[in-house]
Amino acid sequence: KAGVTQTPRYLIKTRGQQVTLSCSPISGHRSVSWYQQTPGQGLQFLFEYFSETQRNKGNFPGRFSGRQFSNSRSEMNVSTLELGDSALYLCASSEGQNNEQFFGPGTRLTVL
Amino acid sequence: KNEVEQSPQNLTAQEGEFITINCSYSVGISALHWLQQHPGGGIVSLFMLSSGKKKHGRLIATINIQEKHSSLHITASHPRDSAVYICAVSQVGDMRFGAGTRLTVKP
Repeated sequence: KAGVTQTPRYLIKTRGQQVTLSCSPISGHRSVSWYQQTPGQGLQFLFEYFSETQRNKGNFPGRFSGRQFSNSRSEMNVSTLELGDSALYLCASSEGQNNEQFFGPGTRLTVL
Repeated sequence: KNEVEQSPQNLTAQEGEFITINCSYSVGISALHWLQQHPGGGIVSLFMLSSGKKKHGRLIATINIQEKHSSLHITASHPRDSAVYICAVSQVGDMRFGAGTRLTVKP
């Protein structure tokens, strides 16, 4: 089976812009979670989707949003970008809520 | 205080040494995860456990639910084991992470 894929792998934006990141889970996986990794805060949970429904959300402002499609692919959107949003954004997929997670390679976002 | 604490933060070992990384947590969990992250960012799930002990090759993970503590052991360490090892705990649908242990194994 193909692994988790994320696009794009690298992205440069300027403050105030918005960005959409995409995640394609492993075939058959219905749960997709998103994480942000920064040098200062480490890895932090953003949100989790299962069967097109957001089931859990981390402690991030409303500028961070996401959705999941019927084929389990997921997107996350960050609006009104700030310098502090520069990070590695990782998604992970799993069969269900309490199953092993498989991580994608990440999207490295730089906000200038 | 972080909900997930790892020690040590950094660890340097000689090839062949036995390595232990510790993780303590302060919240109720459904499972504990050990992750490996190589330079460049890719994360690999090594173990997911909710009780007892698991072994995969040279890696062993244990968890003590009563003490809220887990250990990751690497036997016969090798330079290719050099990476950041991250402990994470999952509750219902989210995951909380430790700060990671940076392991360097010298030949």
